[in-house]
Order: sequence, then C-alpha cells, then structure tokens
Amino acid sequence: TQLLEQSPQFLSIQEGENLTVYCNSSSVFSSLQWYRQEPGEGPVLLVTVVTGGEVKKLKRLTFQFGDARKDSSLHITAAQPGDTGLYLCAGRELATSGTYKYIFGTGTRLKVLA
Amino acid sequence: NAGVTQTPKFRVLKTGQSMTLLCAQDMNHEYMYWYRQDPGMGLRLIHYSVGEGTTAKGEVPDGYNVSRLKKQNFLLGLESAAPSQTSVYFCASRKTGNEKLFFGSGTQLSVL
Repeated sequence: TQLLEQSPQFLSIQEGENLTVYCNSSSVFSSLQWYRQEPGEGPVLLVTVVTGGEVKKLKRLTFQFGDARKDSSLHITAAQPGDTGLYLCAGRELATSGTYKYIFGTGTRLKVLA
Repeated sequence: NAGVTQTPKFRVLKTGQSMTLLCAQDMNHEYMYWYRQDPGMGLRLIHYSVGEGTTAKGEVPDGYNVSRLKKQNFLLGLESAAPSQTSVYFCASRKTGNEKLFFGSGTQLSVL
C-alpha cells in the first residue's frame, strides 16, 4: 500500500493570507483527490486530478498534480474563516483484486482566524 | 435522498464486547468502503466491497469483519472489541465509473 504524507500537519493563519498544502508519495497514483472535512461530518470531495501537471481551480483554491503523479498541492488565495477544516488528499491505487481503492493522506488541519 | 447513513452515531463498549456498525446508501452505488480515522493518521481503509456479496481487505482489516448481503448495506463487525479500536468510523460509497466518494457522518466508538 502506498503512503501519502501531507504537510504541514497544522496551519493557523490570518484571514486574507495565502497558503499551500502539500501531499507527497514515493509512488505513482493514477489519480488524486482532495477532500475537506468539517467537525462531525464526513469528508466532501473538492476536486479530482488525473493527468500529470494538471492544474484545476475552484474559486480561490488551486490544485496541482505533479508531473510524475507522485505529489500534489493545494493553494488557497486570500483565505477566509470558511476555509477552516481538515484537508485530505486521496490517491487511487490498483488493488490486487483488479479494482481500485482510495488511500488517504495524513491530513492538514487549517484554521483561518478572522 | 439521504445519501450515506451510518448508525449508530456514538457507542461506548467494554473490552471484549461485540457490535455491528451499519452503513446504508440509497444511491444504488456498487462500491462501499469502511475507513477509520485517528488523529494525525488521516483515514485508513479497513475493508471494502465492489458489489453485493463481495468484500476485500484494506490496509487495517485485523479485528474487523464485514458483510454485504444487500447492495445498499455494508456492515462492519467487531467480534471482540479492544481499546485500540477506539476511533471514528466512516463509511463511503461510489458508483462504478465515478471517482467521487460519498461519506456518511461517522460513528464515534470508544472501547474502555
């Protein structure tokens, strides 16, 4: 099973600041997803990236898949208190059964202060 | 359309007790997954199912069993609970050909 390490583990910033969260693996994933999770709830999908070098934007959030499909980043511009939450990356891995399973990263807990 | 529903939401067990967590989805999804979430470790896959009557092991299957007798339900069982199984458990589902995972709101389990 491939491992996904996220950094930083915790991040506390002021409203209006920019930030970048990283998701790294030593192995290649066929696709990578980013989720956001709020307290007491399950994760909610933000984006899926498939192609190496792919960049996707979701309002103030920019997601990039590394050229070698081993890493990804999430950049937030002008963070707002509503961005507060746990951000999780998830890589798609081919299981021995021939089906896909999704391996999650260690998570980055973001707090944006007003 | 309720999506993915997990029951119960909270449970406290004593070491050695057994219990079953229920996950139900009303979206006719083929794939279902059980994850556990612990601080600093993200979500770890316990077991998953690619369809009715089929199950497979994930990263951390020891101490858990699962069953998928009906397409809409995926049950996670703990035969003899241990304190190391204290965690928040999440169920997820997805449709074939679609990578989006839909999660339930979790079950917080404490084993004393």
